[in-house]
Amino acid sequence: DAKTTQPTSMDCAEGRAANLPCNHSTISGNEYVYWYRQIHSQGPQYIIHGLKNNETNEMASLIITEDRKSSTLILPHATLRDTAVYYCIVSGAGSYQLTFGKGTKLSVIP
Amino acid sequence: SQTIHQWPATLVQPVGSPLSLECTVEGTSNPNLYWYRQAAGRGLQLLFYSVGIGQISSEVPQNLSASRPQDRQFILSSKKLLLSDSGFYLCAWSAKGVTQYFGPGTRLLVL
Repeated sequence: DAKTTQPTSMDCAEGRAANLPCNHSTISGNEYVYWYRQIHSQGPQYIIHGLKNNETNEMASLIITEDRKSSTLILPHATLRDTAVYYCIVSGAGSYQLTFGKGTKLSVIP
Repeated sequence: SQTIHQWPATLVQPVGSPLSLECTVEGTSNPNLYWYRQAAGRGLQLLFYSVGIGQISSEVPQNLSASRPQDRQFILSSKKLLLSDSGFYLCAWSAKGVTQYFGPGTRLLVL
């Protein structure tokens, strides 16, 4: 699996958009970008994934650059419940393993 | 919809005692099943995965074993716990794709 790089921590004001970046410069053509989050003492929660096109669901939007070397997860209106560690993971379609790095600790501030 | 259960939620066990953690999935058939461990302050480490009944692949050789006696049941076991087995144990499932969905986890403390 390709390696990802994320900032260690970020702050976001409640109600504002949270933009979480991820670099994955060694991603290969058949690898997807996945985002999960882990709220303290809970299991990781799947958020969204994409291959080339931008994706949106009820939780977030995923913007992938044209060269696919980086992506941004957008939480459009962050709430206090969005405080969590966010993981960006790159994984191929045939892989059984999701390699979780250290992620970005997002703190949403009132 | 699919749901995944793990129990117990927390467990305190003495060194040298046996371990059995259970995971069950509802609402799907023939899922891939996974056991991960998260040590304090660290990332998730894949321990075992299974693509079908009786089929177990080990990612990390260690003091633990896994079994899949039924299609939607995955068990993590140890005959003798070590202090280093303490951690947060997570079960996950996926359809025959990559997206994995995690259970609530079991927090194990070995004393």
